[in-house]
Amino acid sequence: GDSVTQTEGLVTVTEGLPVKLNCTYQTTYLTIAFFWYVQYLNEAPQVLLRSSTDNKRTEHQGFHATLHKSSSSFHLQKSSAQLSDSALYYCALSGNTRKLIFGLGTTLQVQP
Amino acid sequence: EAAVTQSPRNKVTVTGGNVTLSCRQTNSHNYMYWYRQDTGHGLRLIHYSYGAGNLQIGDVPDGYKATRTTQEDFFLLLELASPSQTSLYFCASSPGTGGYEQYFGPGTRLTVL
Repeated sequence: GDSVTQTEGLVTVTEGLPVKLNCTYQTTYLTIAFFWYVQYLNEAPQVLLRSSTDNKRTEHQGFHATLHKSSSSFHLQKSSAQLSDSALYYCALSGNTRKLIFGLGTTLQVQP
Repeated sequence: EAAVTQSPRNKVTVTGGNVTLSCRQTNSHNYMYWYRQDTGHGLRLIHYSYGAGNLQIGDVPDGYKATRTTQEDFFLLLELASPSQTSLYFCASSPGTGGYEQYFGPGTRLTVL
């Protein structure tokens, strides 16, 4: 079946250093879109990034991600992590059904 | 921006009790979803709907019923609540599928004693 894998449950990084959250997927859909959702403490998930174009970099709020269909990946990166980036991050896949397929999520902790 | 509201925001009930969680969206979205969020399990889809009167089974439907009374309103019903249903519940809406994002409500924290 279709799935999204986020290999790390927790990523801890020091403020100012780069961070990378991994996301890989398996799907049979031909037309797909990918999302990164961010959920801050005691808030609802909200979209951070969206992409459906292979090999095109998408950026928002200092984060960027590139969909690579050749490696089935959509990793999230930031060059300099901030304390305010501490949150739960979900990678999600949207195919031609009515559902989003979410990964299990990665908690990012940015420490001083 | 999509507006999705949920009520109540917090609910405590006892085992065997009846609970109804409410969700309303005011952006004329066709699609609405109910999720539960638990540590280690992420967001799991319970039920969803693509219009008034329509109901689709999600990935973890056991113990839950849902009803979409209007385009705006989607309800989640727990008729015999159990402690395993203690969770944070989110409602979401979307204008479509195949690439449209989902907009989430603020969540309802349910505790079943």
